[in-house]
Amino acid sequence: DTEVTQTPKHLVMGMTNKKSLKCEQHMGHRAMYWYKQKAKKPPELMFVYSYEKLSINESVPSRFSPECPNSSLLNLHLHALQPEDSALYLCASSPALAYEQYFGPGTRLTVT
Amino acid sequence: AQTVTQSQPEMSVQEAETVTLSCTYDTSENNYYLFWYKQPPSRQMILVIRQEAYKQQNATENRFSVNFQKAAKSFSLKISDSQLGDTAMYFCAFMIRDGTYKYIFGTGTRLKVLA
Repeated sequence: DTEVTQTPKHLVMGMTNKKSLKCEQHMGHRAMYWYKQKAKKPPELMFVYSYEKLSINESVPSRFSPECPNSSLLNLHLHALQPEDSALYLCASSPALAYEQYFGPGTRLTVT
Repeated sequence: AQTVTQSQPEMSVQEAETVTLSCTYDTSENNYYLFWYKQPPSRQMILVIRQEAYKQQNATENRFSVNFQKAAKSFSLKISDSQLGDTAMYFCAFMIRDGTYKYIFGTGTRLKVLA
C-alpha cells in the first residue's frame, strides 16, 4: 500500500463550526505533514510530526490544531476559521524527516 | 534564510520534444536535499526525482533527469520525449535538516505539453 488517503475530499464549514480533517498512511512512515495550498501557489508547511511527536509548528494560528493519535493517522482539527483559510489542505508522509514525501489528494476546504 | 526560485511561471513544449525547467536556491548549508514534484491538474502531487547535495552524480528517473550544479546553486529538470501526461505544475523543493528542519517549495512552473 503506497497511498496516503485524506477525508473528506471537500468540506464547507461556517466560521463557528468545528470540523476535523483526517489523513492515513500504511507505509510504515514515521514522519507526517500538513500543508496549506492556495490556488496556483506552492504548498506551505504547517505542521510536522516525527515519531508521533510534533516537531515543527510553522507559526500556524491556534484555530488549527493537529493531532497524531498513532503512527498511521494524522488529524487536523479546525475551529473558528476565517474565509481566508479556504484552501486545499494536503497531508504527506515520509519514511523519516530527511526523505521524499508522499502526498495525499488533499481536502478542499471552503469557509463561509 | 533558504530560498527557492523558479523563474519560469509557464512553459510549453511540443509532444516528443525536450524541455528544461530551471530552479535556483540559496543556502549557506552544505548538506541538503533537492526534489522535483509534479502536480497534474486536480490530481495529487507526486515525486519526480530526488538529489542529495553530497552526491555529484546527477539523478535520473527514466525520461526525467536533473542538472545539479552545486557551486551555482542550480537544480534544473530535463524532461525528454515529452508526453501529454507530463502536463502539470512542477515544483522544485529544498529540504535541510541541521538542528532544525526546513522544507521549502519554489513557486512552481506550469508546463503544458502540446499535441
